Amino acid sequence: DVKVTQSSRYLVKRTGEKVFLECVQDMDHENMFWYRQDPGLGLRLIYFSYDVKMKEKGDIPEGYSVSREKKERFSLILESASTNQTSMYLCASRRQGGNTIYFGEGSWLTVV
Amino acid sequence: DAKTTQPNSMESNEEEPVHLPCNHSTISGTDYIHWYRQLPSQGPEYVIHGLTSNVNNRMASLAIAEDRKSSTLILHRATLRDAAVYYCIPLNQGGKLIFGQGTELSVKP
Repeated sequence: DVKVTQSSRYLVKRTGEKVFLECVQDMDHENMFWYRQDPGLGLRLIYFSYDVKMKEKGDIPEGYSVSREKKERFSLILESASTNQTSMYLCASRRQGGNTIYFGEGSWLTVV
Repeated sequence: DAKTTQPNSMESNEEEPVHLPCNHSTISGTDYIHWYRQLPSQGPEYVIHGLTSNVNNRMASLAIAEDRKSSTLILHRATLRDAAVYYCIPLNQGGKLIFGQGTELSVKP
């Protein structure tokens, strides 16, 4: 079975801190994605990566950056966390050209 | 990206069939119709997908209209564990998965 692992399930960070959300997949998938989910707004795509060192902005990239140095790992970075980035973050992966996308269990981030 | 319209919520009784509709009138000819569901406090999970023909798997069936402008996800016997938000998503291979609001299904014992 494909496994997408998000390293932190629950985090509490202070405003202005630099935050790293890590995601690892074990199926050699080329494509990886970061979403955030908020009540009433659904899932929104932040960034995605087609392959190593490749990244593209999603619908809401402001305030975020990403890193894909290795195929299995896709990191979401909040350079200076703000309270409006309190949310649930979901990582996903997919084989290039594949139909099925696999999601991690989510990371709940609270910025105080 | 094709737009989708789904009911905000639906209710079902346990052990009864559930038909979850989705309109996707702007779907392109190469888009597959995907269904995902999200159980409480979990990430979304794949349910089923199809292009033109009706599809069946162990979780559900997918009925696709002949003009492909709508589809229906069918859960043959709803269980309490099927309570989730169900998303219908037109997607071409290699494309981005864009979620709409989905349908929140509640299942009553």
